[in-house]
Amino acid sequence: DAKTTQPNSMESNEEEPVHLPCNHSTISGTDYIHWYRQLPSQGPEYVIHGLTSNVNNRMASLAIAEDRKSSTLILHRATLRDAAVYYCILDGTASKLTFGTGTRLQVTL
Amino acid sequence: EAGVAQSPRYKIIEKRQSVAFWCNPISGHATLYWYQQILGQGPKLLIQFQNNGVVDDSQLPKDRFSAERLKGVDSTLKIQPAKLEDSAVYLCASSSPTVTDTQYFGPGTRLTVL
Repeated sequence: DAKTTQPNSMESNEEEPVHLPCNHSTISGTDYIHWYRQLPSQGPEYVIHGLTSNVNNRMASLAIAEDRKSSTLILHRATLRDAAVYYCILDGTASKLTFGTGTRLQVTL
Repeated sequence: EAGVAQSPRYKIIEKRQSVAFWCNPISGHATLYWYQQILGQGPKLLIQFQNNGVVDDSQLPKDRFSAERLKGVDSTLKIQPAKLEDSAVYLCASSSPTVTDTQYFGPGTRLTVL
């Protein structure tokens, strides 16, 4: 499986945008980029995914570099409820998610 | 739409005892997954079912772990006998076959082995 690299932790102030980076230099042409997040004491939840083009949904935006070797999850206005561990995952087999350790996002007032 | 249900939410046992976890996936989801999440780590896939058949159990410690999905709906994961290192959260997820197979996770069962 192609590997992703994320910072261990990040901090943000409430109501400010947050940019969570992910490097995936060995991504293959068929790998989708998925983001999941895990709130404290809960199972992971789907956030967003993309292949080549930038994507937006009600939760977040996903910006994918032109060479696809990196991507950025954008939370437009962080709230305290966005404090979680965010996982960037490459999925080329359409059903197999290999989680790393993710980025722990802290949101402060 | 009801989410993935798991029970129990918490379980404490002594080493060498046995334990079972139950999962009810989202209605209509053919694929079911069991993950193990050790504290401080991301979830690790133990087994994947497609309907009632096993697709991938390469990371399941088969000497002590077993799982079944009778009738292609509910699933149980069993550990017998438990070891201290089995202390973890056991997560169940389900998905419906699409191009990207978004997985929906249950709340997990926190197992403590003493």
